[in-house]
Amino acid sequence: AQSVTQLDSHVSVSEGTPVLLRCNYSSSYSPSLFWYVQHPNKGLQLLLKYTSAATLVKGINGFEAEFKKSETSFHLTKPSAHMSDAAEYFCVVSDRNQFYFGTGTSLTVIP
Amino acid sequence: GAGVSQSPRYKVAKRGQDVALRCDPISGHVSLFWYQQALGQGPEFLTYFQNEAQLDKSGLPSDRFFAERPEGSVSTLKIQRTQQEDSAVYLCASSPKAWNTEAFFGQGTRLTVV
Repeated sequence: AQSVTQLDSHVSVSEGTPVLLRCNYSSSYSPSLFWYVQHPNKGLQLLLKYTSAATLVKGINGFEAEFKKSETSFHLTKPSAHMSDAAEYFCVVSDRNQFYFGTGTSLTVIP
Repeated sequence: GAGVSQSPRYKVAKRGQDVALRCDPISGHVSLFWYQQALGQGPEFLTYFQNEAQLDKSGLPSDRFFAERPEGSVSTLKIQRTQQEDSAVYLCASSPKAWNTEAFFGQGTRLTVV
């Protein structure tokens, strides 16, 4: 069975400092993994995806994630937070027919 | 438009009323998903279509929920005899392939049952 655990429900960072949002997954085979962002009253937007190519995945808006099979992790990072990054972030693992969402991490950026 | 479109954006229903939520996926996308997102939670899977075939409906919470995609394009999620616990945002997503590719989400329909 597939599942994801987002280790932090809330993360708060100062503008210009690094962002780390943690995600661990459980999958019975080589997974496809995604990070989505959801701004208030907006739809879910794909940040990046891992589908068994390079383990370091670059996404939009300066975000990156590294797939670590030995740690079953897919943490999301950004070197320098911007005010516009404040949103809800979801780590997602997929099998053929379903996307399994984590419970989300709310990112606050302090000016 | 270029993205997934859902209508209405907001729906208020009286308890016991039937509602129908519409999803226009990205043209040509094979897969279509419906998700339910309760306040403060991550989206939960409801059902999946590959073209017009409903291949997985294991997430539908009760027999009051029904989804269709008769021509393999537009989909409708119908909820009969709505209950307060049905209040949530209903998200539709489509993807170009049958599996293991990203899904593109609509903005959702916020259903409030009063």
